[in-house]
Amino acid sequence: EIVLTQSPATLSLSPGERATLSCRASQSVSTYLAWYQQKPGQVPRLLMYDASNRATGIPPRFSGSGSGTDFTLTISSLEPEDFAVYYCQQRRDWPITFGQGTRLEIK
Amino acid sequence: VQLLESGGDLVQPGGSLRLSCAASGFTFSNFAMSWVRQAPGKGLEWVSFIDSGGNTYYADSLKGRFTISRDNYKNTLYLQLNSLRAEDTAVYYCVKGAGPNSIYDYWGQGTLLTVSS
Repeated sequence: EIVLTQSPATLSLSPGERATLSCRASQSVSTYLAWYQQKPGQVPRLLMYDASNRATGIPPRFSGSGSGTDFTLTISSLEPEDFAVYYCQQRRDWPITFGQGTRLEIK
Repeated sequence: VQLLESGGDLVQPGGSLRLSCAASGFTFSNFAMSWVRQAPGKGLEWVSFIDSGGNTYYADSLKGRFTISRDNYKNTLYLQLNSLRAEDTAVYYCVKGAGPNSIYDYWGQGTLLTVSS
């Protein structure tokens, strides 16, 4: 099973700052990596797929990069609505796995 | 796109349950579907996947206890859960793949399964 490790577990930043979230895979997933955002009391929402492609309706302040085992989700300038939990997910191999999540909180 | 789960309940350990997900707003038969669960206060855990042809995959820890299936005529996804344990307590989400794959572009609101005596 491919293990995805996200860091940091919690990230405390202020609106307007840049956020950098990391996801590391235990073996290569090529670019078969997605990112999801989950706000309290809401269902997860697809942000990025195949490492660097924004999903429909996702604003350009969100960007993704990486390949192989190291991936990054960057939010260029945090808006109040961006404070949430973020999960990465790989679909390179079965079973599909999610990272444990990074909580992005307001400083 | 709408995904409406049902069937969540309070079940005793060792019991069984079937979850359903009624899909609408897209051609159900053309898309892969999955179940993802989330225990209270915890992260997302992938459960199972079924493609348009009926091929299935499961989380290693759940093989043999859970069975995913679909009825393309009724536009409905199912998850049969057997030999339930306390650790199966979670919100179960029905999730649509963006095509034949496991890029999850739409999520249902979830149905809560509680396993407790």
